[in-house]
Amino acid sequence: EVRLVESGGGLEQPGGSLRLSCAAAEFNFSPYSMNWVRQAPGKGLEWISHISSSSSTMFYADSVRGRFTISRDNAKNTLFLEMTRLTDDDTAIYYCAREAGGGMDVWGQGTTVIVSS
Amino acid sequence: IVVTQSPLSLPVTPGEPASISCRSSQSLLHSNGYTYLDWYVQKPGQSPQLLIYFGSNRASGVPDRFSGSGSGTDFTLKISRVEAADVGVYYCMQALEGRTFGQGTKVEIK
Repeated sequence: EVRLVESGGGLEQPGGSLRLSCAAAEFNFSPYSMNWVRQAPGKGLEWISHISSSSSTMFYADSVRGRFTISRDNAKNTLFLEMTRLTDDDTAIYYCAREAGGGMDVWGQGTTVIVSS
Repeated sequence: IVVTQSPLSLPVTPGEPASISCRSSQSLLHSNGYTYLDWYVQKPGQSPQLLIYFGSNRASGVPDRFSGSGSGTDFTLKISRVEAADVGVYYCMQALEGRTFGQGTKVEIK
């Protein structure tokens, strides 16, 4: 079964850092662009970052640019999100999603990040 | 690019049609001829799932009760006959410049 599995979430203090991972299984990871999308408690979906298949192109939402860094290791079929200078507003479920020729067609189950003192 | 959905809440009767509107602050038509507008649904307790891509193409496994239409800045998702299993929050998303989701439309059974 094609799937994405996120990990690395947890409780972190304001100003701290976390590194999320997203492991791809049962499909060839390297040709696909990937995204991170988050959902704050009781809120809608917020796209936060995109990376192309070869890592040549990366985009960020204004809310995280300069604090978060997206990367990938195609040899290990894994996507990453390095999060620094965390604030309460970063509390959310973080999803990784595969981007096919059109649309994000495979999503993980999400990992929860809580920023609190 | 700002994406605006309406309505934000949509009570529906099973068997009846339903429609959600999505408007973008600028045209989503790329020079390559594709329109970068997708539709997703997030059912209760689940991760989001892709319904429609490039404005009108149903994703794999999506019932033909779902259809997407529109062009430029105005788009519509239609459900021809709503079923109880369609309950959830529906989002449109532009993918022309970065990615931006609409606020979401909560579909619930009357």
